[in-house]
Amino acid sequence: ILNVEQSPQSLHVQEGDSTNFTCSFPSSNFYALHWYRWETAKSPEALFVMTLNGDEKKKGRISATLNTKEGYSYLYIKGSQPEDSATYLCAPDSGAGSYQLTFGKGTKLSVIP
Amino acid sequence: GAGVSQSPSNKVTEKGKDVELRCDPISGHTALYWYRQSLGQGLEFLIYFQGNSAPDKSGLPSDRFSAERTGGSVSTLTIQRTQQEDSAVYLCASSWTVGSNQPQHFGDGTRLSIL
Repeated sequence: ILNVEQSPQSLHVQEGDSTNFTCSFPSSNFYALHWYRWETAKSPEALFVMTLNGDEKKKGRISATLNTKEGYSYLYIKGSQPEDSATYLCAPDSGAGSYQLTFGKGTKLSVIP
Repeated sequence: GAGVSQSPSNKVTEKGKDVELRCDPISGHTALYWYRQSLGQGLEFLIYFQGNSAPDKSGLPSDRFSAERTGGSVSTLTIQRTQQEDSAVYLCASSWTVGSNQPQHFGDGTRLSIL
């Protein structure tokens, strides 16, 4: 079982502010890193799947970077909106045929209008 | 429907009873995954299927838990002799195939409460 740390656990930002949070994971046996957004009363939604060191992916105002050598990924939200309020989960896959995602406990984002 | 469907959405049962949770994946998805989230915990991997086969059952918490998938589609997760620690949200997800780079599509979950 991988040790996956997400920080901060929660944060509150004002509408329009930009924010970022971190996912840390073991750098050995890395195959892929998944980011999901989980809004209250909804199902988790896939944001990004990242596999290459130095990868940067973008979806609207949300982007993510990946450093596999040091074992971390950042998720950025530019100009936060109330609809961005959700828990953001990261999950590395250690591969080796396990296809088992190990989820962090998430960062709960609240955007204040 | 277009998404992953789970039933029931809520289940309340007495300790010691058996429960069966159902997952209907997105049509055409060959990979299916079960997770659970207990109160205050992160999502915990339970088991995955590639087609009807479950290559790795080591994530199942105890021998009271079992899962099957028939016809490469619907899957059921069965918990026998339920205990209070089984109370959790059970989530199912599916993807086109197994693979580290395959995003998983989740259902809304089944909230299981054991009295």
